[in-house]
Amino acid sequence: AQSVTQLGSHVSVSEGALVLLRCNYSSSVPPYLFWYVQYPNQGLQLLLKYTTGATLVKGINGFEAEFKKSETSFHLTKPSAHMSDAAEYFCAVRGLASSYKLIFGSGTRLLVRP
Amino acid sequence: DVKVTQSSRYLVKRTGEKVFLECVQDMDHENMFWYRQDPGLGLRLIYFSYDVKMKEKGDIPEGYSVSREKKERFSLILESASTNQTSMYLCASGGEGLTDTQYFGPGTRLTVL
Repeated sequence: AQSVTQLGSHVSVSEGALVLLRCNYSSSVPPYLFWYVQYPNQGLQLLLKYTTGATLVKGINGFEAEFKKSETSFHLTKPSAHMSDAAEYFCAVRGLASSYKLIFGSGTRLLVRP
Repeated sequence: DVKVTQSSRYLVKRTGEKVFLECVQDMDHENMFWYRQDPGLGLRLIYFSYDVKMKEKGDIPEGYSVSREKKERFSLILESASTNQTSMYLCASGGEGLTDTQYFGPGTRLTVL
């Protein structure tokens, strides 16, 4: 069975600081991995996704994530946080076992301090 | 741009009422989904539809039913609303291929009193 663990339900950073949101997955088949962002009172929006090929994936708004198979991780980073990055972030996995289904982590709320 | 719309942003209903949540997508997607979002639990799949009149149960289908009479529209039905169904409900469409994106609507925050 596939699963996703996001470490830290809340992460707080200062504006301009590095953002690191952690995601570990469990999958018996090669996974396809996604990061979604949810701004207040909105639906989810795709930030980036890993399918195959390059393990460092660049997304929108300056975010990127690196797929590390040996660590079963897909952590999300941004070099310099902006106030507008304050949102909830969800990591998700999809695999052959249940091809239509996205398995979501519990989410991490990012707070950006001025 | 893909657009997924949901009929209401906020809804307040009473216990025992029948509740309809409507979702419409404009991208001719085969797949449509209903999720429930609760703090600390992420998103959980309620039902999935892969074609008109076709549906599959997700992880938490109890207390819910769905209807898909037209390709662009997917409805979630609470036959008899209960307080434990107070939640945020998110509709999505797309994701036909393994690497394809699911596109989400803005959500309906349902409160059952």
